[in-house]
Amino acid sequence: GQSLEQPSEVTAVEGAIVQINCTYQTSGFYGLSWYQQHDGGAPTFLSYNALDGLEETGRFSSFLSRSDSYGYLLLQELQMKDSASYFCAVMDNYGQNFVFGPGTRLSVLP
Amino acid sequence: EPEVTQTPSHQVTQMGQEVILRCVPISNHLYFYWYRQILGQKVEFLVSFYNNEISEKSEIFDDQFSVERPDGSNFTLKIRSTKLEDSAMYFCASSLQGSTDTQYFGPGTRLTVL
Repeated sequence: GQSLEQPSEVTAVEGAIVQINCTYQTSGFYGLSWYQQHDGGAPTFLSYNALDGLEETGRFSSFLSRSDSYGYLLLQELQMKDSASYFCAVMDNYGQNFVFGPGTRLSVLP
Repeated sequence: EPEVTQTPSHQVTQMGQEVILRCVPISNHLYFYWYRQILGQKVEFLVSFYNNEISEKSEIFDDQFSVERPDGSNFTLKIRSTKLEDSAMYFCASSLQGSTDTQYFGPGTRLTVL
């Protein structure tokens, strides 16, 4: 079986730091990706972790612990435009089946 | 910057009708995908396609669905006999190397089945 879990909603204020967690259980694992999706828009790639540790891309960082089947997306210096849904995703089944988590809706308040 | 395009942006059809959703992946990409997203729900994988054949398909991708790369640029998803529950946003995506490579999503086609 395959399942990913994320918090359904997170709220934070502008300028703050927020962490969105993702735990996964999949058959085969080829890395954890994060996508951002604004209402009515398409998913947009944010980051990818294949190995344990922290990957930093500007205000966004992503972390992976393969032994814990756990990762997180860290958003710093939050801006209003960061209000969106964030999905973690795992490439399952020997790299052919891409499974998305349920998504976390981030609301950034002024 | 190259991007994935999809047409139409919105398709309305009657239950039982056939629809074809079209996608133009990024030109040098080799791996193509279809996903769907029912309103307010998560993105669901439908099918991956490489080297002119299906690489993997999910349980959702039953006999009602088919994909085709009719020429060097288009990638299509056909639903033979639409059902009400097929109403969703359908996203096409492409990647250069597949598996762990970044997937670039198109803007989606909103399918409404009446």
